[in-house]
Amino acid sequence: SQQGEEDPQALSIQEGENATMNCSYKTSINNLQWYRQNSGRGLVHLILIRSNEREKHSGRLRVTLDTSKKSSSLLITASRAADTASYFCATDDGFGNEKLTFGTGTRLTIIP
Amino acid sequence: GAGVSQSPSNKVTEKGKDVELRCDPISGHTALYWYRQRLGQGLEFLIYFQGNSAPDKSGLPSDRFSAERTGESVSTLTIQRTQQEDSAVYLCASSNRTFFRADTQYFGPGTRLTVL
Repeated sequence: SQQGEEDPQALSIQEGENATMNCSYKTSINNLQWYRQNSGRGLVHLILIRSNEREKHSGRLRVTLDTSKKSSSLLITASRAADTASYFCATDDGFGNEKLTFGTGTRLTIIP
Repeated sequence: GAGVSQSPSNKVTEKGKDVELRCDPISGHTALYWYRQRLGQGLEFLIYFQGNSAPDKSGLPSDRFSAERTGESVSTLTIQRTQQEDSAVYLCASSNRTFFRADTQYFGPGTRLTVL
């Protein structure tokens, strides 16, 4: 498996339900970021969580980070049709290098 | 304020031709990144600029790929003698990185390159 691998690959839920996506990675990191991508084009940054943080909130989004398990989760509460998109986690390499490594993403579909 | 912009938004070219993709980062952002995204895949890192220098070019897939940045602003990614496997969306990002730590990378809308 690759650094920054999301699970599940695809998720369909009813509008109003909560959606949870997971990300696993292999190496040490300085931070982990979640992005959303609509229609295969521009990525929208959602949240950055640093390695010394365990949880962050932003509106309906909640991100957790467990560095001992090398995993993160993104929870979207009270989902809306507009949340339909692909969600990616991205990690650095822990050495201050700039490249982000992305997984293949979770395709989330919200059913109205 | 204005985000990261890229041009063209779409480019169709014939195999063997050269293409040039442009990225305008967020004003004042010191760091600029190029990534490539093949259909249904995640993003692959290509190159990173800090100012006008490229400390990390490790993701450039071959010597047909090159990039430059001038004025600590605009960057161009050039692909020479394009091949069909170069078809992808090329995404640019910028961040307000300091010496001490990296920061959030903000992405442009991408250039969809199709090589026939």
